[in-house]
Amino acid sequence: EAQVTQNPRYLITVTGKKLTVTCSQNMNHEYMSWYRQDPGLGLRQIYYSMNVEVTDKGDVPEGYKVSRKEKRNFPLILESPSPNQTSLYFCASSLRGLAGGGSYNEQFFGPGTRLTVL
Amino acid sequence: KQEVTQIPAALSVPEGENLVLNCSFTDSAIYNLQWFRQDPGKGLTSLLLIQSSQREQTSGRLNASLDKSSGRSTLYIAASQPGDSATYLCAAFGGTSYGKLTFGQGTILTVHP
Repeated sequence: EAQVTQNPRYLITVTGKKLTVTCSQNMNHEYMSWYRQDPGLGLRQIYYSMNVEVTDKGDVPEGYKVSRKEKRNFPLILESPSPNQTSLYFCASSLRGLAGGGSYNEQFFGPGTRLTVL
Repeated sequence: KQEVTQIPAALSVPEGENLVLNCSFTDSAIYNLQWFRQDPGKGLTSLLLIQSSQREQTSGRLNASLDKSSGRSTLYIAASQPGDSATYLCAAFGGTSYGKLTFGQGTILTVHP
């Protein structure tokens, strides 16, 4: 089944304890991205990756790191989590990151990771 | 920077009504616009994707239109049903905000029997 998977789905941690949220897709997609969703602020893009080894900042990158060493994986790293990073996180992917016509840019989302930082 | 606005923020209608959700964006050089549905506590489900060269897309009771020049998209839902109750999100992709996907705040739709 074609899908985007995220792990863990739920995580409670403490301030300063490094964590990684994994994202994997099995659709051979070039483009992957991370978002956070907060009440009243909506969904905001954290980082995106046009392809392997190519990443760029979204609108709210502070406090986050990403790496894209393989096409299928795009982990989100919080080196020193803080309570203001408590949020619902989504990973997404699409076939292409550039204008390609058809459904090349259709975004497919993972199920979300609910993170609480105490 | 791209900004996406959705109006109304919330909508409550009786079953069977036809309704229109609005989405506007400031940067018209987008690659496409995508409409999603989100149920409470759940992920996003893609409803329709409209390429920048297209004017509209249809799927079942849903019809989405795009007017790039005016920076607007609408989602039309025909014969609404209680199962349509959810938050509807539009997202603009690409353009001068190269590689970025920008979401609106969403419209919370409630369809009551």
